Amino acid sequence: RKEVEQDPGPFNVPEGATVAFNCTYSNSASQSFFWYRQDCRKEPKLLMSVYSSGNEDGRFTAQLNRASQYISLLIRDSKLSDSATYLCVVPSNAGNNRKLIWGLGTSLAVNP
Amino acid sequence: GAVVSQHPSRVICKSGTSVKIECRSLDFQATTMFWYRQFPKQSLMLMATSNEGSKATYEQGVEKDKFLINHASLTLSTLTVTSAHPEDSSFYICSASVSGLADTQYFGPGTRLTVL
Repeated sequence: RKEVEQDPGPFNVPEGATVAFNCTYSNSASQSFFWYRQDCRKEPKLLMSVYSSGNEDGRFTAQLNRASQYISLLIRDSKLSDSATYLCVVPSNAGNNRKLIWGLGTSLAVNP
Repeated sequence: GAVVSQHPSRVICKSGTSVKIECRSLDFQATTMFWYRQFPKQSLMLMATSNEGSKATYEQGVEKDKFLINHASLTLSTLTVTSAHPEDSSFYICSASVSGLADTQYFGPGTRLTVL
C-alpha cells in the first residue's frame, strides 16, 4: 500500500451537491492528518486538521477511521469556488526526520 | 500572520545556468524551512529540510550538489538550482515552521521554473 493514496478523480458535481473524498494511509501509528486545498499553479493551503475521530468546519467535515486507516473529506452544498485539488497529508516519522507525506490529490470541479 | 514569501515567482532560464530562489518568513522566525518540488499532476515531493545555521537534510534521490540550500538566518532560506536542465523545470515551493515541527508549515506562493 502506498503511504498516502487518493482517488485522483476528477469529480464533476453540480453546485449545491454533496461530495466526499477518501484517503487511505499505510502507517497505522499516524496520529494526525491534514486536508489541504491547492488551486491550479498555487501553493497548498491548509483546509482542515484531524487529530481524533473527526473535525467539522462549516460545510466541510473530515472523518477518521483508524481501524480501516482512511480519512474522508465531505463537502456539503458545493460552491463554484470549491473547485480545486484536495490533498490528503499524513506526517511521517522517517528516521530522525518528521515530514509530511502528500497524496496525489483529488480534483474537484463544481459546475454551475 | 505567518506569511511566507518566495522570490522570484516565475523564472525562465537557459540550460546550464544557475537559478536562486529565496524563501522568507515575513512576520515570524522560522526554525525550519522545507523545500518541495511539484511536477504537473503530481504530488508535492519534499526535497530537503533546512534548519537555521546547519546543513540541510536532503531526501533520498535529491542531489545536494545540484540543489544548494542555505539557511543563513531565521527568516531566509535559499535554494540554488545549479546547472539547470529542462528536466529541472518544475514548481518549487518552500514552507516554514516556527516550532520545527513538520505538522505546522506555512507555505510560500511557489516559484515556477522553466529551463529552456
